[in-house]
Amino acid sequence: DARVTQTPRHKVTEMGQEVTMRCQPILGHNTVFWYRQTMMQGLELLAYFRNRAPLDDSGMPKDRFSAEMPDATLATLKIQPSEPRDSAVYFCASGLAGQGVTQYFGPGTRLLVL
Amino acid sequence: SQQGEEDPQALSIQEGENATMNCSYKTSINNLQWYRQNSGRGLVHLILIRSNEREKHSGRLRVTLDTSKKSSSLLITASRAADTASYFCATEGRSSASKIIFGSGTRLSIRP
Repeated sequence: DARVTQTPRHKVTEMGQEVTMRCQPILGHNTVFWYRQTMMQGLELLAYFRNRAPLDDSGMPKDRFSAEMPDATLATLKIQPSEPRDSAVYFCASGLAGQGVTQYFGPGTRLLVL
Repeated sequence: SQQGEEDPQALSIQEGENATMNCSYKTSINNLQWYRQNSGRGLVHLILIRSNEREKHSGRLRVTLDTSKKSSSLLITASRAADTASYFCATEGRSSASKIIFGSGTRLSIRP
């Protein structure tokens, strides 16, 4: 049963530290999304990739966030330096571009920045 | 900017009753999707309806789309306790190359 995997599942860190979140999309999917979910803001699209190329990262604070796909099996989201307001659940989702991208979500990384 | 807005924000019904959730959006779309999220989990895709479709069924789910009113509804018939979750609509705009924007969600509670 193919699934999107994310690591770590939980992360507690101190303000100013670097945080790296990883995502393994479903094999064969060519579109990868990063979302952030908080109670206040809901589900926000941070960035997404098609065939490993960034299509849109306008939802991401550029000064501290970066997203990459080193290869087709790995997507990373980095925060450097982290701040308490970055505390949220970060979801990765993958899909196959075509007539509507059905997204398959990972379990999320719950991040707490103290 | 948020594309889809669900209504109501929260809904509590008795098990066995039908639940209806609505979604309104602002710009032209290629398709609209509904997702479910159980507490502490990732979202799960339920159904996709294309802009040229008006109604779609999947098991106990029925989705309608009215592009003239820029709105969609999700009906869950014969609700069960396991349907307790948050439900989100998500729209893919015509000019946004797969960019999908989620609404704020409806929190559905099913009372036993």
